[in-house]
Amino acid sequence: AQRVTQPEKLLSVFKGAPVELKCNYSYSGSPELFWYVQYSRQRLQLLLRHISRESIKGFTADLNKGETSFHLKKPFAQEEDSAMYYCALKGSNYKLTFGKGTLLTVNP
Amino acid sequence: DVKVTQSSRYLVKRTGEKVFLECVQDMDHENMFWYRQDPGLGLRLIYFSYDVKMKEKGDIPEGYSVSREKKERFSLILESASTNQTSMYLCASSLTWDEQYFGPGTRLTVT
Repeated sequence: AQRVTQPEKLLSVFKGAPVELKCNYSYSGSPELFWYVQYSRQRLQLLLRHISRESIKGFTADLNKGETSFHLKKPFAQEEDSAMYYCALKGSNYKLTFGKGTLLTVNP
Repeated sequence: DVKVTQSSRYLVKRTGEKVFLECVQDMDHENMFWYRQDPGLGLRLIYFSYDVKMKEKGDIPEGYSVSREKKERFSLILESASTNQTSMYLCASSLTWDEQYFGPGTRLTVT
């Protein structure tokens, strides 16, 4: 079975502070991990995927197979980063399994 | 630009009613998905379809059925709506089994 855990329901930081949204997964095979984001009153959209190893909107995420983690990081949070963030895992059956989400609030 | 549209943004139905939620995508995507989104529970997959007339159960299919008669359209059906089906319903589509494109969601209230 595949499982995604986001331990924090809510995360609040101040503008300019570093932010890390945690994601841990459980999967016996070789996983593909994603971060999706939903801004207020907007539709859910892909933020980044681990295989591209890119930085999007200043966010990065590194797959750590030893710790089975895929934490999302940004060195300097901005107010426009406030949103709901979902970590997702694609297993061998091609389905995406989503975590329960973390609501990030960046305070001015 | 991928467009996924859902027939209603808000819907209020009574217990026991049959409910249809429609989703249309305009990018010729093979795969389509229905999720429900609940606070504290995240997104949970109800059903998905990888081709016309093909469907597979997701993690929480009980109380739901789906229909895919045309490639661009994927319908979610609640045969007899119940109050515990009050939720936000999200449709998504994808070309490959990679990035999924989501619709705006339908907030269904069953009273």
